[in-house]
Amino acid sequence: DVKVTQSSRYLVKRTGEKVFLECVQDMDHENMFWYRQDPGLGLRLIYFSYDVKMKEKGDIPEGYSVSREKKERFSLILESASTNQTSMYLCASSQAGPWKVDTEAFFGQGTRLTVV
Amino acid sequence: EDKVVQSPLSLVVHEGDTVTLNCSYEVTNFRSLLWYKQEKKAPTFLFMLTSSGIEKKSGRLSSILDKKELFSILNITATQTGDSAIYLCAVGSGNTGKLIFGQGTTLQVKP
Repeated sequence: DVKVTQSSRYLVKRTGEKVFLECVQDMDHENMFWYRQDPGLGLRLIYFSYDVKMKEKGDIPEGYSVSREKKERFSLILESASTNQTSMYLCASSQAGPWKVDTEAFFGQGTRLTVV
Repeated sequence: EDKVVQSPLSLVVHEGDTVTLNCSYEVTNFRSLLWYKQEKKAPTFLFMLTSSGIEKKSGRLSSILDKKELFSILNITATQTGDSAIYLCAVGSGNTGKLIFGQGTTLQVKP
């Protein structure tokens, strides 16, 4: 079974702190994603990575950065946490397929981040 | 800008009813459309659609894609309280497989 593991289920951080959210997948997937989920807004894409050291901005990259030094690990960094970054963060991965049809994305269990 | 829009945003029905959830999209270089169900945890995969007009079916759930009109529907027949969840539509796009989600439809099925 595909496993996507996020390092923390719950995190509480102070305004201005630098925050690292880690995600590891064990199925050698090329694609990895970071989303945040807020009520009524669905999943909004923060960043997407399609290969090691390759990344694309999503819809809401401001205030975030990412790192993908190894294929299995995709880190989301909040450079200076703010209260409006309080949210549920979901990591996902998928296999890049032939004919530009990828597999479905598999999700981690989510990290609920509260910034106080 | 890529966009995925779901409707309705929320829906309340009674057990046994049939529901239809809608997903429309505007993306660059469409790759696939996916449906997910989310209860109190991570989304779980339901269907992937890549070709128009071919229905995917799993039990009481079915889905179809119209690539000309740029939309998909998810049907749930004979709803049960266990169908209560957020249903998410996502579209894979571009040359790299970026996956964009809609806002989700919150379905509540009452006994």
